[in-house]
Amino acid sequence: EIVMTQSPATLSVSPGERATLSCRASQSVSNLAWYQQKRGLAPRLLIYGAATRATDIPARFSGSGSGTEFSLTISSLQSEDFAVYYCQQYNNWPPTFGQGTKVEIK
Amino acid sequence: EVQLVESGGGLVKPGGSLRLSCAASGFTFSSYTMNWVRQAPGKGLEWVSSLSRNSDYIHYADSVKGRFTISRDNAKNSLYLQMNSLRAEDTAVYYCAREGPRDSNGLYYPLGYWGQGSLVTVSS
Repeated sequence: EIVMTQSPATLSVSPGERATLSCRASQSVSNLAWYQQKRGLAPRLLIYGAATRATDIPARFSGSGSGTEFSLTISSLQSEDFAVYYCQQYNNWPPTFGQGTKVEIK
Repeated sequence: EVQLVESGGGLVKPGGSLRLSCAASGFTFSSYTMNWVRQAPGKGLEWVSSLSRNSDYIHYADSVKGRFTISRDNAKNSLYLQMNSLRAEDTAVYYCAREGPRDSNGLYYPLGYWGQGSLVTVSS
């Protein structure tokens, strides 16, 4: 099983600032997704294939990386972006998620 | 609009059984692989099971293998999860999720659409 490790666990950011979240895989993967989960709601797909935005996802969200190191960048945080973000590899069975990064208001 | 609505959750004693359902609408259900993902209270996401569109490919997490059974009825646009021999550690919100855009090889996919979830509590 591929282990996904996200850092930091919590990121404190002011509205309008840039946020960068990291995700590391225990072995190389080529299929990496990012999800956003707001409190009490279901996760929502943001990024797939490491860098492709899902339908209706704003351009301020971008994904990058390859192999074992990936990142999600939110260029200018809006109030609705404060949430928990999960990375997931879907390259190998079973698909596995990182433990999440909480983005909170500074 | 894609909609996934789970039902069937509730409180069950350890060793008991429960059947979750997921009603799908807004897309051609029979064309997509469907999945169950769970989230224990205050914890992260854990993939549970996947079922291909024709039910010919099935995968389970090791944690539920032999106890849970995934199935679907394409005529009813519905996905199911039969959960037997339930344990306290199965307590979670269970989400139904549809496959998202596949990779260039057509083999792998993220989870593109999610239901609102159904809470299963296993406690005596």
